[in-house]
Amino acid sequence: DAKTTQPPSMDCAEGRAANLPCNHSTISGNEYVYWYRQIHSQGPQYIIHGLKNNETNEMASLIITEDRKSSTLILPHATLRDTAVYYCIVRVAVTSYDKVIFGPGTSLSVIP
Amino acid sequence: KAGVTQTPRYLIKTRGQQVTLSCSPISGHRSVSWYQQTPGQGLQFLFEYFSETQRNKGNFPGRFSGRQFSNSRSEMNVSTLELGDSALYLCASTGTPNTGELFFGEGSRLTVL
Repeated sequence: DAKTTQPPSMDCAEGRAANLPCNHSTISGNEYVYWYRQIHSQGPQYIIHGLKNNETNEMASLIITEDRKSSTLILPHATLRDTAVYYCIVRVAVTSYDKVIFGPGTSLSVIP
Repeated sequence: KAGVTQTPRYLIKTRGQQVTLSCSPISGHRSVSWYQQTPGQGLQFLFEYFSETQRNKGNFPGRFSGRQFSNSRSEMNVSTLELGDSALYLCASTGTPNTGELFFGEGSRLTVL
């Protein structure tokens, strides 16, 4: 079973920030939070990951709560091309090749 | 650096046939994992290979099998195809050292008639 829960769908106005939440209340101390997105009929694309500190890259920011039980992916200025299914997963990053379990994700629709 | 390459991209088979899908990981990547994606079940883990050894397996029947070659290229095979096997089959590779990031290919879309 997936270790994360996400809302099934969200809308966001173009140009506004998209804030996608994820709950991972059973996360272990050595598990990282990863975000991927999948644009229709393409393979999933890595966005960002983090352990406990907030992270930012050219695509997005990741905010992880202090207790690590939830996180938020922020797309600062959503465009139509950000319309996709966003998956939040938890896994051990280093040395473990454990099976990766994807949940149903959040379908984000960016509206003009 | 070239990404993960999957072939064929599209194929149509009939029930009872078998199919082989191929995945070439990013150069230097030694771990390859496979996923099945259907509208009803989402992304489901099939199996994962590292250095020619299957390390993890998902909950799929024995009709689904795979292997990895010494150059890290991987194949998966589905025998005695059923209508429900129609899906997008995705392959992902993981780098060395492992950062936990999966690099996905574009997938092979299988239609079983």
